[in-house]
Amino acid sequence: SQTIHQWPATLVQPVGSPLSLECTVEGTSNPNLYWYRQAAGRGLQLLFYSVGIGQISSEVPQNLSASRPQDRQFILSSKKLLLSDSGFYLCAWSLGQGNEQYFGPGTRLTVT
Amino acid sequence: GQQLNQSPQSMFIQEGEDVSMNCTSSSIFNTWLWYKQDPGEGPVLLIALYKAGELTSNGRLTAQFGITRKDSFLNISASIPSDVGIYFCAGQYYGGSQGNLIFGKGTKLSVKP
Repeated sequence: SQTIHQWPATLVQPVGSPLSLECTVEGTSNPNLYWYRQAAGRGLQLLFYSVGIGQISSEVPQNLSASRPQDRQFILSSKKLLLSDSGFYLCAWSLGQGNEQYFGPGTRLTVT
Repeated sequence: GQQLNQSPQSMFIQEGEDVSMNCTSSSIFNTWLWYKQDPGEGPVLLIALYKAGELTSNGRLTAQFGITRKDSFLNISASIPSDVGIYFCAGQYYGGSQGNLIFGKGTKLSVKP
């Protein structure tokens, strides 16, 4: 069966510091991968999605970037965090032609 | 951009009550999904709908893909305390990128005090 992991579970970072969040998927090959941000327990905002290694699409301009160095690894990064980057970050995967997305446990980021 | 209107925003339930929530859009959707999110966790997929008029059940949960393809509803029968959480509808509108979903803002279910 497929599982999705996110690391770390929680993170507190000062403004201006860098960020790296990791997402890995097990039990499937060539998944589509997604990064979402959720503010205040509501409303999922799609940040990035990837259909393959090195292929990243950005949905909204922001202070963040994403990379996919391996088939089942998706990384969310920032060079300098802003206070507005605080939130709950969710990674999700889906299979190529399907629309069902499966979410990871999330990372709670607090920028101070 | 595309938006989903999900209602109600919040509701209180008493154990044993039936619950209903819905999502509407001004655009035609070809997929409707319903998720539940518990505090501090990722959303969990409850039901997926792919055909207009489709009615699908998952235990006490029933969801339908509206005939007009612009709406969907989720019913929970005989609610229990563990039904508390936030329920999200999500869909892919016709002409949207494959796999890219639009999410509603959620319906928060709480236990009636």
